Amino acid sequence: EAQVTQNPRYLITVTGKKLTVTCSQNMNHEYMSWYRQDPGLGLRQIYYSMNVEVTDKGDVPEGYKVSRKEKRNFPLILESPSPNQTSLYFCASTPGTSGNNEQFFGPGTRLTVL
Amino acid sequence: QKEVEQNSGPLSVPEGAIASLNCTYSDRGSQSFFWYRQYSGKSPELIMSIYSNGDKEDGRFTAQLNKASQYVSLLIRDSQPSDSATYLCAVKGPQFGGGTRVLVKP
Repeated sequence: EAQVTQNPRYLITVTGKKLTVTCSQNMNHEYMSWYRQDPGLGLRQIYYSMNVEVTDKGDVPEGYKVSRKEKRNFPLILESPSPNQTSLYFCASTPGTSGNNEQFFGPGTRLTVL
Repeated sequence: QKEVEQNSGPLSVPEGAIASLNCTYSDRGSQSFFWYRQYSGKSPELIMSIYSNGDKEDGRFTAQLNKASQYVSLLIRDSQPSDSATYLCAVKGPQFGGGTRVLVKP
């Protein structure tokens, strides 16, 4: 089954404790993104990757890191989480390298930073 | 000004009626437009994509694009309670509006 998976689905952590949210897709898509979704603000792109070893900042990159060592995986790293990073996070993949196509979303990770 | 604007709603429609959702965008060079449906606590799923001016129909859904006026709309005909969700407009792929919440009342 074609899908995007994310882990963990739910995470409660404390300020400053490094964490990683994994994302994997099995559709051989070049383009992958991370979004956060907050009430009233919609989906905002954090980082994106057009291909292996190519990553770039989206609209709200502060406090986040990503890497793209393999085509299928695109982990999101919070080196020192803060309460304002409490949000619902989605990973998405898209065919092609422009990002201008349909996006396939993972199930989401609900993060709470205390 | 946001790049993609939507009325947040809620848009309340009776069952069987037509729900009309609108989205405006700022980048005149945009070529690809998408409507996603998102149920509460779930991930967005694609309903329609549209790339050319005019209408595109798929079942009960019709997307309308007017590049000159920089808006894209979604019509839901014969609205069902299961259509109650938030509808997200996306432009160029990663630029999303804030979403319109739709409530279909039996």
